[in-house]
Amino acid sequence: AQKITQTQPGMFVQEKEAVTLDCTYDTSDQSYGLFWYKQPSSGEMIFLIYQGSYDEQNATEGRYSLNFQKARKSANLVISASQLGDSAMYFCAMRGTNRDDKIIFGKGTRLHILP
Amino acid sequence: DTGVSQDPRHKITKRGQNVTFRCDPISEHNRLYWYRQTLGQGPEFLTYFQNEAQLEKSRLLSDRFSAERPKGSFSTLEIQRTEQGDSAMYLCASSFEGVNTEAFFGQGTRLTVV
Repeated sequence: AQKITQTQPGMFVQEKEAVTLDCTYDTSDQSYGLFWYKQPSSGEMIFLIYQGSYDEQNATEGRYSLNFQKARKSANLVISASQLGDSAMYFCAMRGTNRDDKIIFGKGTRLHILP
Repeated sequence: DTGVSQDPRHKITKRGQNVTFRCDPISEHNRLYWYRQTLGQGPEFLTYFQNEAQLEKSRLLSDRFSAERPKGSFSTLEIQRTEQGDSAMYLCASSFEGVNTEAFFGQGTRLTVV
């Protein structure tokens, strides 16, 4: 069975600092995808970034980058130069292949950006 | 396409009543997912479809929950004999098939069982 673990229930970060949100996963699939979503207080789920298990380079999308360490089964999200609008819940998610390709989510990390 | 839409946005029901939620996915997407989310938690997988075929239903889901996607387009999630513990946000998402495709979420239906 696949599993996503996010061990940081909450984080406080000063505005303009970089922040790393941790995510570890477990799967027996060789091919899988890892995703990060943002959920502001308004409730919508916003897709941020994707990393494929066979991608050789870490994914980047603007201020978001993914520190992918396959051997350690970790896929940490790095937000550079944090902004007040980054305050939200952040979820790591995974999608496998073959017969178990549903998307599963971790419990999330609540990020607070301090002015 | 305007994205994934869910109806209703809010539902208040008395304990023991049946409720049904609707999800209209992005039209080109063949995958459709239902999740349940309680306050401060991550989305909990309920079930998902490939077109009209239900691929998996969570083992944690009681028999009071059922979902359909009759023509491979919209989907309904029904909860029979609602209990207070069913109070949550019910999220629908859709995607293409494939490990590298993200899911797009609707705004959710917030259920309150009184």
